Amino acid sequence: GAVVSQHPSWVICKSGTSVKIECRSLDFQATTMFWYRQFPKQSLMLMATSNEGSKATYEQGVEKDKFLINHASLTLSTLTVTSAHPEDSSFYICSARDPGGGPKQYFGPGTRLTVT
Amino acid sequence: AQTVTQSQPEMSVQEAETVTLSCTYDTSENNYYLFWYKQPPSRQMILVIRQEAYKQQNATENRFSVNFQKAAKSFSLKISDSQLGDTAMYFCAFIPFGNEKLTFGTGTRLTIIP
Repeated sequence: GAVVSQHPSWVICKSGTSVKIECRSLDFQATTMFWYRQFPKQSLMLMATSNEGSKATYEQGVEKDKFLINHASLTLSTLTVTSAHPEDSSFYICSARDPGGGPKQYFGPGTRLTVT
Repeated sequence: AQTVTQSQPEMSVQEAETVTLSCTYDTSENNYYLFWYKQPPSRQMILVIRQEAYKQQNATENRFSVNFQKAAKSFSLKISDSQLGDTAMYFCAFIPFGNEKLTFGTGTRLTIIP
């Protein structure tokens, strides 16, 4: 089956620094990937849609200059949280669209970000 | 805009019992997909079951089945012979045909009691 990985699985950074999270499709090409944010005991909130070779599409209320998304290849999308602050601490999950074009999404295991 | 509502924030049942999680949604679309995802303590999202709106037959996957009522816009999940490994957050999700974005419900935390 299609597998999506994320790296790192958890990261702690100091306030004001930037941190990059990688999302990889391991055994398929993903032209479209999605980035979600999940606060404790809450649902997944879509942050942006990442399309290979083009700019990401951000959801309303998500700061594109703060959450930089790059989808430079068919197997890799990155999310960079710039000038991180404690309120950016959260669980970030990526997913990749079914390569067959169906509605299914394959989810990565998530990255826990803690900003101190 | 579509909305997905899960009215049961938490549920608990004894092991081996049957439990039903409810989900309702609101949409003006006629063709769409519905999903139930499971998020165990590991936080990995796992697809449990999927239903196409144009199919009248309810989807089943082993111990998991759905009751899809299109007119009522209801999509409940039944877990039979519940097991300890079923303990997780369960999210109902919706996506219209031709769209890419999943809309998730708020989730139901299910605990299976030994």
